[in-house]
Amino acid sequence: EAGVAQSPRYKIIEKRQSVAFWCNPISGHATLYWYQQILGQGPKLLIQFQNNGVVDDSQLPKDRFSAERLKGVDSTLKIQPAKLEDSAVYLCASSPRIAGGPLTHNEQFFGPGTRLTVL
Amino acid sequence: AQSVTQLDSHVSVSEGTPVLLRCNYSSSYSPSLFWYVQHPNKGLQLLLKYTSAATLVKGINGFEAEFKKSETSFHLTKPSAHMSDAAEYFCVVSPDNYGQNFVFGPGTRLSVLP
Repeated sequence: EAGVAQSPRYKIIEKRQSVAFWCNPISGHATLYWYQQILGQGPKLLIQFQNNGVVDDSQLPKDRFSAERLKGVDSTLKIQPAKLEDSAVYLCASSPRIAGGPLTHNEQFFGPGTRLTVL
Repeated sequence: AQSVTQLDSHVSVSEGTPVLLRCNYSSSYSPSLFWYVQHPNKGLQLLLKYTSAATLVKGINGFEAEFKKSETSFHLTKPSAHMSDAAEYFCVVSPDNYGQNFVFGPGTRLSVLP
């Protein structure tokens, strides 16, 4: 079974530029997550999709961050314009579970991440 | 509010000695609990999970954890450390059994000395 794919793996941009990240979840997984992991910290949830709908985006800085999952499969996360403090690893994860579903399916599978450096 | 405390930011052990990584959580509901491991430049990998079944959970690579509700703890242990265990370990709480909101702890870096 193929894992969660992310691209690019690394990106360096200057502040005020735009950047986009792409994620392809495990086939058949209904739920997709984007996390931000700042160096030395645990991942922080940015946004959660179930199929192509947003479940939780309460921690997404909506003035500069946007995300979509138009067909309920692939997803993109965009930052426009980037700030220095956006330097982090952006992780995508997917899960087969939907809200209220069996707990036996509640683990998340993570991609390798995209390391963003903003200069 | 839900939160996770990992009491040690860095743990160092000698190869062949036991490993103990501590985790305490707060949750308003009966939580699901997880331990994930992150090797350098690699994705997060699930070690084990607790979802209200047996309180002693066995995971991959010889790791296990015990859920203690009275102590709100979910400590990770391994009887004998291997050099390949050196990595960052995250304790994670999913505070309710309806949605799937994950709250990560700050992580514990495990070093294994020869």
